[in-house]
Amino acid sequence: GAGVSQSPSNKVTEKGKDVELRCDPISGHTALYWYRQSLGQGLEFLIYFQGNSAPDKSGLPSDRFSAERTGGSVSTLTIQRTQQEDSAVYLCASSPPGRLRADGYTFGSGTRLTVV
Amino acid sequence: AQKITQTQPGMFVQEKEAVTLDCTYDTSDQSYGLFWYKQPSSGEMIFLIYQGSYDEQNATEGRYSLNFQKARKSANLVISASQLGDSAMYFCAMRGRAGANNLFFGTGTRLTVIP
Repeated sequence: GAGVSQSPSNKVTEKGKDVELRCDPISGHTALYWYRQSLGQGLEFLIYFQGNSAPDKSGLPSDRFSAERTGGSVSTLTIQRTQQEDSAVYLCASSPPGRLRADGYTFGSGTRLTVV
Repeated sequence: AQKITQTQPGMFVQEKEAVTLDCTYDTSDQSYGLFWYKQPSSGEMIFLIYQGSYDEQNATEGRYSLNFQKARKSANLVISASQLGDSAMYFCAMRGRAGANNLFFGTGTRLTVIP
């Protein structure tokens, strides 16, 4: 696609429910990243997929968070047993193969998650 | 571990004036890259400028320039001739450990341009 596509754009869920957030990167981009941005805060790195390598999960805040990337393309971020502190904008980004270029990532428009 | 620090939560600048947004970093890598992004109220992240650790010249992109002081580990963003549309959050970021492409972001500076 022309850009990084994220769905849904908004999600309201009840505390304790599981949610899945989807990211469709730019075609040909082998690297995919998930970030979380809480209200008024910076971007918190969550997880990074690079081609067929094992993902870097070092940023996941708890074992309630997991992510998959199927076929080297679409990624799903799953949050189990959501808590109110999970409320944030979840941003996905992708980049082409190889070393990160000087123009950085291409970001999606994010999914705003609200846990009530 | 990489760390990015932005000490200015908010800044104000008069329209048409220049403003400097501070960013300091910490890394043990010899090769690294520094990025600045703009996030308007609409929420999208817009890439502004990049500085490589081995670049001898300070990066410039139109009205944006990066004041890179390697010994002091600072990479301040300078916006010249501020415009009302420059009002936004600005984030400094550094590429992760050598060989990795994930970026670590600072907490951001909210810039407000005053007419």
